[in-house]
Amino acid sequence: RKEVEQDPGPFNVPEGATVAFNCTYSNSASQSFFWYRQDCRKEPKLLMSVYSSGNEDGRFTAQLNRASQYISLLIRDSKLSDSATYLCVVNRIGTGNQFYFGTGTSLTVIP
Amino acid sequence: DVKVTQSSRYLVKRTGEKVFLECVQDMDHENMFWYRQDPGLGLRLIYFSYDVKMKEKGDIPEGYSVSREKKERFSLILESASTNQTSMYLCASSLLPGLAGGQNTGELFFGEGSRLTVL
Repeated sequence: RKEVEQDPGPFNVPEGATVAFNCTYSNSASQSFFWYRQDCRKEPKLLMSVYSSGNEDGRFTAQLNRASQYISLLIRDSKLSDSATYLCVVNRIGTGNQFYFGTGTSLTVIP
Repeated sequence: DVKVTQSSRYLVKRTGEKVFLECVQDMDHENMFWYRQDPGLGLRLIYFSYDVKMKEKGDIPEGYSVSREKKERFSLILESASTNQTSMYLCASSLLPGLAGGQNTGELFFGEGSRLTVL
């Protein structure tokens, strides 16, 4: 079983729509959780960290459910500039700081 | 801001050549990583290092080696490049979560990537 699983999409949504991405992780010892954004042929960049209490940054809301080992990202009022691949990333401390990636969910926002 | 710099954005090499990919970070991070990213396969860890002169194999170390002689620099070496090593190579660094105060959540910072083509 993969450490981190995401629906690869693609998600094609109209501008202004609300879209939700989900991610599950398999190891209950995982400690930190992140959503990264990756534009085509660019490096991944941190979108937001995900906290147990849930957190919001403008149009973006991230939720963590440790009991279900489930992470979500909600994007409200989608913009054309939101088109990208969104990576779910999970971290735990083993030998050093270890990260586990989902394969990414592709989003295209359509005019 | 944290800066992770990779020495080459684009390289074209021939089969059998030795290839060096250099990565430097400027934030005194203990942990450094080399990944490759291929369509449909996501990011796969090649090697990582949690301290100077320390290295650990990741998921796909075959055909690669690494060097970490200084804390800020982590090099990836392809001893004899092969066509199946054509890929995007991403270097990254991180602190351990909790160090350097509450602002640090231990996230990864990536370099811009090195796109290697082996002919």
